[in-house]
Formats: sequence, C-alpha cells, structure tokens
Amino acid sequence: GENVEQHPSTLSVQEGDSAVIKCTYSDSASNYFPWYKQELGKRPQLIIDIRSNVGEKKDQRIAVTLNKTAKHFSLHITETQPEDSAVYFCAAKLGGNMLTFGGGTRLMVKP
Amino acid sequence: DAGVIQSPRHEVTEMGQEVTLRCKPISGHNSLFWYRQTMMRGLELLIYFNNNVPIDDSGMPEDRFSAKMPNASFSTLKIQPSEPRDSAVYFCASSPGPLGSGELFFGEGSRLTVL
Repeated sequence: GENVEQHPSTLSVQEGDSAVIKCTYSDSASNYFPWYKQELGKRPQLIIDIRSNVGEKKDQRIAVTLNKTAKHFSLHITETQPEDSAVYFCAAKLGGNMLTFGGGTRLMVKP
Repeated sequence: DAGVIQSPRHEVTEMGQEVTLRCKPISGHNSLFWYRQTMMRGLELLIYFNNNVPIDDSGMPEDRFSAKMPNASFSTLKIQPSEPRDSAVYFCASSPGPLGSGELFFGEGSRLTVL
C-alpha cells in the first residue's frame, strides 16, 4: 500500500524566516498531493495541492514542489507569521479516492 | 452549506460500553471517509464509502469497529465494546465528484475518551 514519510516532525522558526517541510511517497502511481493545516483543537483544512502533471504551484506565501522521479514533494512557507503555527500534513493519493497522510509536522513560529 | 457535521463533539464513556459516532456529509458529496487521529499514529483512514457503498475497510482496527452509511446524508461509526486504547479524535470527511477528484472536507471531529 501507499506509504508517506514526512520530515521534520517538529520545526521551530523565527517570524519572517522560511519553513520547509518534506515528504516522500512509495507508490509511483500517486497522482495527487495535498497539504493540510491543522490548528490546535481544529479540523485539518486544505491549504494547497499539486497534481502529478505540475512541478510547482504557488499561492501567496505558500508553495509546493513535486519531483516525481525522486518521489518527493515539499511545502515552502515564506515570511512566516505566528498564525502559521500549526501541524501540517502532507498526503498522497493513488488513482482511487483514498488519501494516505504523512505523520505531520508541528511548526512553531516564534515572534 | 454548514460543512461536514459530526456528533457528538465529545464523548466520555467507560470500557465495555457501546459508542456511536455520527456524520452528515456535505450535500452532493459522493465520498465519505472516517479517520482516527492519535498522537502516536497520526491520521489513520478507517473506512471509505463511495455512493453509500463501503469501498475499503482495511483500516478498521478489529471486529469491534463497524461503520454504516444507510443513505447519502448519514453515516455512523460504532465501537462495541469500547476499550481505553480507542480513545482518539474521530474525523469524518467528505469529498465531491467522482473518484480521484481531490479535496477532503473534514468535520470538527468527535473526541472519544474511554475510561
């Protein structure tokens, strides 16, 4: 089955710095790679996603890159703010409709 | 739309008791998922329905867990009998469109504590 590894498990940055979270996946047939943000006590919510026919996607301070050959994808947050503090999950999906999530990264942005 | 609605938000019960968690997906969404979240194991997919039919229940931990979707607007996850290790946040999520369409919309979750 699909396996998704996520690193690091915790990440602490100073406000204004960049944060990068990396994920690898096992199944080369995976074609959809979303990122979810979960604030403390809240539900996970989609922040950005990328499909396998695209190498990079950007939305304001957030970007995601995908390397299909190496089977890894990354989330980049620039100019981090305290409200970016949360747990971030990457996920990968095969041709069906089931997402497999990574273990999560707890991001702390220090003011 | 109010989004995915789950109940109860919090449940505290004693070991051996039956627990029923409920979910109302977003109207028009074809797919429904039950996830369990714990610190140790993260987000685990328990079961997935498409058009009310269970497609994959390989994530259901054991026979004490069962899930149903009698119609397009309602699903239940039942644990009988419950055990302390079942303590977790259980999320229901729905997704629109045909298979492979993408975004999951999560409910607020049901936090279960089994004493």
